[in-house]
Amino acid sequence: DVKVTQSSRYLVKRTGEKVFLECVQDMDHENMFWYRQDPGLGLRLIYFSYDVKMKEKGDIPEGYSVSREKKERFSLILESASTNQTSMYLCASSSGGQGDKNEKLFFGSGTQLSVL
Amino acid sequence: KQEVTQIPAALSVPEGENLVLNCSFTDSAIYNLQWFRQDPGKGLTSLLLIQSSQREQTSGRLNASLDKSSGRSTLYIAASQPGDSATYLCAVLNTGNQFYFGTGTSLTVIP
Repeated sequence: DVKVTQSSRYLVKRTGEKVFLECVQDMDHENMFWYRQDPGLGLRLIYFSYDVKMKEKGDIPEGYSVSREKKERFSLILESASTNQTSMYLCASSSGGQGDKNEKLFFGSGTQLSVL
Repeated sequence: KQEVTQIPAALSVPEGENLVLNCSFTDSAIYNLQWFRQDPGKGLTSLLLIQSSQREQTSGRLNASLDKSSGRSTLYIAASQPGDSATYLCAVLNTGNQFYFGTGTSLTVIP
């Protein structure tokens, strides 16, 4: 089974801090995604990547950046954390075959970030 | 842009009851539809995936159906148990290779 591992389950940071959220997948997946999930708003896509060193903005990229130096690792960076970035952050990966009807999303267990 | 809707937002049923969760989407140009379960404070766990050419998929007490032309999917849970209490989300993969999520149905099964 695919495993998507997020480095922290809970994180508490202060406003203005630089925050790194790490995500690693073990199935050689091409695609990796970062979402945030807030009550009443559902999942919102922050950034995604279809290949190493490649990144694309999602629906809400402001205040975030990403890094994908290796295929298995996709990092989300909050350059200067703010209280409105308090949220559940979810990493996901998929195999990436174009037009693959079996393409499935696999999620990590999430990181609950609190910015004080 | 694809819009995915799940109604109701919350559902409460007594243990043992069969139930149906609904998912609708606006654009039928999809590759597949996936149902997920999410427990409080946790990530999403994949339950079933239905390809666009399929009508249904079954796993244990779960059965998911897909009517692509009408933009609807249902997740049927037989003989519900308290352990089924969770939020259930559906997601479609459209032919532009993007995933779109519903906001979920929060299910409570009362012992």
